[in-house]
Amino acid sequence: GAGVSQTPSNKVTEKGKYVELRCDPISGHTALYWYRQSLGQGPEFLIYFQGTGAADDSGLPNDRFFAVRPEGSVSTLKIQRTERGDSAVYLCASSSYLHTEAFFGQGTRLTVV
Amino acid sequence: LAKTTQPISMDSYEGQEVNITCSHNNIATNDYITWYQQFPSQGPRFIIQGYKTKVTNEVASLFIPADRKSSTLSLPRVSLSDTAVYYCLVGDPGSSNTGKLIFGQGTTLQVKP
Repeated sequence: GAGVSQTPSNKVTEKGKYVELRCDPISGHTALYWYRQSLGQGPEFLIYFQGTGAADDSGLPNDRFFAVRPEGSVSTLKIQRTERGDSAVYLCASSSYLHTEAFFGQGTRLTVV
Repeated sequence: LAKTTQPISMDSYEGQEVNITCSHNNIATNDYITWYQQFPSQGPRFIIQGYKTKVTNEVASLFIPADRKSSTLSLPRVSLSDTAVYYCLVGDPGSSNTGKLIFGQGTTLQVKP
């Protein structure tokens, strides 16, 4: 596609439920990043993939969060037993190489009620 | 923890040149300096990247002094559409062990008519 695509654009879920957020990176980009952004704050790093493997998952806040990228393209961020504090915009980005221009998607706004 | 410090907010008027300075006292030898722009409800967008001296593209200029402990993003003749949050980041493009971009709070630029 022309850019990074994230689905859904908005997700409202009940506390305790499981959610999946999808990211379609730019074709050919080997690096993929997930970030979380709360209102008034800069994006907060969650996890980084190089190809299929998670090269750095140090930003995942706890074991309720998990992300996969099984074929080195599409990635899914999975959140179990959602809590109200998980409410935020989840951003995905991809780049052709580390620290070159990263292209961000529009984000998924997650609201846990 | 962000490796950069920048003003929280700035105001300007249409047609003026805007300079946003970022401090990165602990910048490493291999680190590059990158600026991103973020509009409300959108993901950040790459503006410019540099290592030393001056870099210019169609959008902005980036000035980096010899000691590289700071950098200045210069936006010529801003318009209302330049109202956004601007983030300064430092990182090593050649690093193979992490790809995370570390965002601070950014500088909220408000352009007034």
